[in-house]
Amino acid sequence: AAGVIQSPRHLIKEKRETATLKCYPIPRHDTVYWYQQGPGQDPQFLISFYEKMQSDKGSIPDRFSAQQFSDYHSELNMSSLELGDSALYFCASSLGYTDTQYFGPGTRLTVL
Amino acid sequence: ELKVEQNPLFLSMQEGKNYTIYCNYSTTSDRLYWYRQDPGKSLESLFVLLSNGAVKQEGRLMASLDTKARLSTLHITAAVHDLSATYFCAVDIASGGGADGLTFGKGTHLIIQP
Repeated sequence: AAGVIQSPRHLIKEKRETATLKCYPIPRHDTVYWYQQGPGQDPQFLISFYEKMQSDKGSIPDRFSAQQFSDYHSELNMSSLELGDSALYFCASSLGYTDTQYFGPGTRLTVL
Repeated sequence: ELKVEQNPLFLSMQEGKNYTIYCNYSTTSDRLYWYRQDPGKSLESLFVLLSNGAVKQEGRLMASLDTKARLSTLHITAAVHDLSATYFCAVDIASGGGADGLTFGKGTHLIIQP
């Protein structure tokens, strides 16, 4: 079965640079969530979209923004990167917002 | 603010033994999830529990939910090495609609020794 696709899988950036992470949900899924997981930590919810509209907002820094496009894929844009932004970033998708969230493989971001 | 507490956070056990992981949450929720995560990997959905008294089983894992006590358990029966992983419970904040983010517990790092 098709799963959530995230790209890139690994990304290395310098401090103060920008990064864009992409998420392609499971086909027919219309809801996308973004999470950040630091080393040894639990995932922290950042932001979600349902039917291309922002739905819920968690602990997303002001330096980050995200959107969901007409084909339901989503992008997380991160600017002025800091060392503390180094983490695994997961995208999850669901069919509607009451369905189970299925997680992608993650993007490992390293900020040097 | 929703809080989700898991215990134990670390568990080392021998193959063939039984054990239970506990998950408490602080406010009313629509749904409780259990996920498994292997090191550096994604989160794999194990169970979704939707109502009081719900019980679900898959292989050697069984999850239950008591919404009155705001408690879920994940029981491992006759553990095998392949079940070694980190297990997270996660709760939907039940805001009344919309794509709510999940609040996760700290995770239980489970090591099963041969």
